[in-house]
Amino acid sequence: EIVLTQSPGTLSLSPGERATLSCRASQSVNNDYLAWYQQKPGQAPRLLIYGASSRATGIPDRFSGSGSGTDFTLTISRLEPEDFALYYCQQYGNSLTFGAGTKVEIK
Amino acid sequence: QLQLQESGPGLVKPSETLSLRCTVSGGAISGSRYYWGWLRQPPGKGLEWIGSFYYGGSIYYGPSLGSRVTISVDSSKNQFSLKMTSVTAADTALYYCARHALGIDAFDVWGRGTMVTVSS
Repeated sequence: EIVLTQSPGTLSLSPGERATLSCRASQSVNNDYLAWYQQKPGQAPRLLIYGASSRATGIPDRFSGSGSGTDFTLTISRLEPEDFALYYCQQYGNSLTFGAGTKVEIK
Repeated sequence: QLQLQESGPGLVKPSETLSLRCTVSGGAISGSRYYWGWLRQPPGKGLEWIGSFYYGGSIYYGPSLGSRVTISVDSSKNQFSLKMTSVTAADTALYYCARHALGIDAFDVWGRGTMVTVSS
């Protein structure tokens, strides 16, 4: 089973700032089947990025994903007030596992 | 628009069987490009994949729950179900059903979730 380690656990930033979230896999993720989700309190997760770098339907272009193999990054170029939330990475290359999440909070 | 709705008892006693149903509307679970799955999220914790199936094909289960879990399908009602045996307090969680699209290889449509508490 692939273990995904997300860092940092919490990211404190101000609106307008750039957010960089990391997801590191314990072994290489097959075909870069790595996805990112956003979750707000009381809501189901929302798919942001799939295949490491493809934006899901309706996702603003301030969200971008990059990386390959074992190291992946979600970048939010300029934080909007609605972007403060929990973010999870998920791999589907070997079984299916999630990272523990990164909380992006208002500084 | 595709929608998924989970349903089932909110309270289950320890050692009993948890049974949940996911009703899909706005699309058929027999569609050829999708897996359908169950996930859960204990209060204040992260997401855990329980299992997924491809209609007319294989069913895959996550490693942590093993033989306690069974996923079944009723295509006539456009529903799929989850059964989990011998539940304990550790199974208390928000349970989601979701669609996993081939080609996207991620869960692109989710239900709102149903909370299940295991307690006597």
